[in-house]
Order: sequence, then C-alpha cells, then structure tokens
Amino acid sequence: EAGVAQSPRYKIIEKRQSVAFWCNPISGHATLYWYQQILGQGPKLLIQFQNNGVVDDSQLPKDRFSAERLKGVDSTLKIQPAKLEDSAVYLCASSLNLGGGREAFFGQGTRLTVV
Amino acid sequence: AQSVTQPDIHITVSEGASLELRCNYSYGATPYLFWYVQSPGQGLQLLLKYFSGDTLVQGIKGFEAEFKRSQSSFNLRKPSVHWSDAAEYFCAVVLSGYALNFGKGTSLLVTP
Repeated sequence: EAGVAQSPRYKIIEKRQSVAFWCNPISGHATLYWYQQILGQGPKLLIQFQNNGVVDDSQLPKDRFSAERLKGVDSTLKIQPAKLEDSAVYLCASSLNLGGGREAFFGQGTRLTVV
Repeated sequence: AQSVTQPDIHITVSEGASLELRCNYSYGATPYLFWYVQSPGQGLQLLLKYFSGDTLVQGIKGFEAEFKRSQSSFNLRKPSVHWSDAAEYFCAVVLSGYALNFGKGTSLLVTP
C-alpha cells in the first residue's frame, strides 16, 4: 500500500515570495490533515479536511495561508507571502475517516526554509 | 481544551537499559491517546494507541504504554533500548474534531 506522498521534499524561498506544497493521501482515505512542525516543537494542526470539506481551520493563518482539496483526494497548501517564521516542516497526514481511534498516516514532510 | 505535556525535552539512556518517557494530558474525559516516533528525515510513525479497556497497551518495536487515569498519564516504556531507538517521540491526544494534538516531544539519545 502506497503511503502519503508529499512534494517537494525541500524548498528554499525568500521572504515575501509564495510557495505551494502538494499532498496525495493514501487511496480511500477521506480525512486529510496539514500540520506545521517548527524545529524543536511538536506538529501543530493547520487544517483538516473531510473529503473536500473543511472540518477545522481554526489555527490556519488565513491572511497568508490557504489550502484546498477540490476533488476530495489530493491537496495543496499555499503560503503567500512567506515570512521568516514560516520556516518549518509541513506534514501531511491522512486517515480512513473521522473518528478518534482512526490512525493518521504521515508523509515525510516538506522542509521549508524562508530566508 | 485538551493538551499534552511531555516534561522531558531530552533523555539519554545506555543501550540495553530500560526506558520510560513521560506524558501527561489534560482532558475532562478519557481521551484517545497515541505515541508516535519520528526518526531524522522521516515522517511520524505510530507506536501504539489507547482508547479504552486494558490500561497496558502493547505497540510495535517492543514498546508499551500504561494509561493511568488517576495521574492523567500515558507513559511509554521499553525494557531494553536499542541504538536504533534514538529518535524523537511524541505523545498525542485526539482533539474534538478528531485531529491529533501533539506534545512538544522528547528527544532520545542512546549511548553505547
């Protein structure tokens, strides 16, 4: 079974530039999550989708971050414009469905450096 | 709000020694609890999870964790650590929307 795919693996951009990350979840997984992991910290949820609908985006900085999952499969996360403090690993995860006991499977992440 | 505290930022153990990583949670009811491991450059991998029932749960790679309601704890243990266990360990609790809320992590160093 293929895992969660993310691209690119690494990205370096200058502040005020824009960047986009792509995620393809495990086939059949209805729930998709984007997390931000700053160095030395645990992952923080940015947004959660159930199929193509948003379940929770309360921690997404909406003035600069956006995410979509138009067809309920793959997803993109965009930052525009980027700030230095956006330097982090962006993790995508998916689970079969909503439910507290559902295991979330994580991709390897995209490491973003903003200079 | 549900939260998770991992009191130890770094832990160093000798290979072959036992290991215990601490996790405390704040939640009104019995939460769904998880331990994940993250090796350098890798994504997060689930070690074990607890929902209800037997308070001692077994996971992969020889790990186990015990849920103690009275102490609001879910500590991770391993009887004998291997060098390959060196990694970052995260305790997590499920939020109301079923997403994971992670602690800050504990970095494990294994010495020869």
